[in-house]
Amino acid sequence: EIVLTQSPATLSLSPGERATLSCRASQSVAPYLAWYQQKPGQTPRLLIYDASNRATGIPARFSGSGSGTDFTLTISSLEPEDFAVYYCQQRGSWPRTFGQGTKVEIK
Amino acid sequence: EVKLVESGGGLVQPGGSLRLSCEVSGFTVSSSYMNWVRQAPGKGLEWVAHIYVDETTKYTDSVKGRFTISRDNSKNTLNLQMNSLRTEDTAMYYCVRDYVVQGGFFGSWGQGTQVTVSS
Repeated sequence: EIVLTQSPATLSLSPGERATLSCRASQSVAPYLAWYQQKPGQTPRLLIYDASNRATGIPARFSGSGSGTDFTLTISSLEPEDFAVYYCQQRGSWPRTFGQGTKVEIK
Repeated sequence: EVKLVESGGGLVQPGGSLRLSCEVSGFTVSSSYMNWVRQAPGKGLEWVAHIYVDETTKYTDSVKGRFTISRDNSKNTLNLQMNSLRTEDTAMYYCVRDYVVQGGFFGSWGQGTQVTVSS
């Protein structure tokens, strides 16, 4: 099973700041990694797929990069609605696995 | 409009069984890759099971032999039969369709149904 480790666990930032979230895989998942956003009481929303492709309707301030075992989600300038928990997920092999999440909170 | 609505959750004793259903609209389950994903209270996301278009299935190790994913094409529903339930199966269970642009990722989610396993 591929283990995904996200860092940091919590990121405290102010609106307008840049957020950089990391996801490291225990073995290569090639580019087959996605990022999701989950707000309290809501279901997850797909943001980025295959490492760097924005899903339908996702704002350009969200971008993804990386390949192999190291991936990054960047939010260029935080909007108030971006404070949430973010998960990475791989489809490189079965079972599909998620990271443990990074909480982006208001500083 | 794509819509997924789960039902069938509830409180069950350890060792008991539950059958979850997911009624979908706006697409057909028979031509979609479908999943169940769960989230324990205050915890992260865990993929549980997947069914291909050809009805091949995949499961996470902790539920193999206990859970069965299936679909009813006539009712356009996805099901999850859960047997020999354990306290660690307590979670919100989401019915999820693979992202249509790229399979293997989770594009459309239902609102979930709560399963609580407790004596």
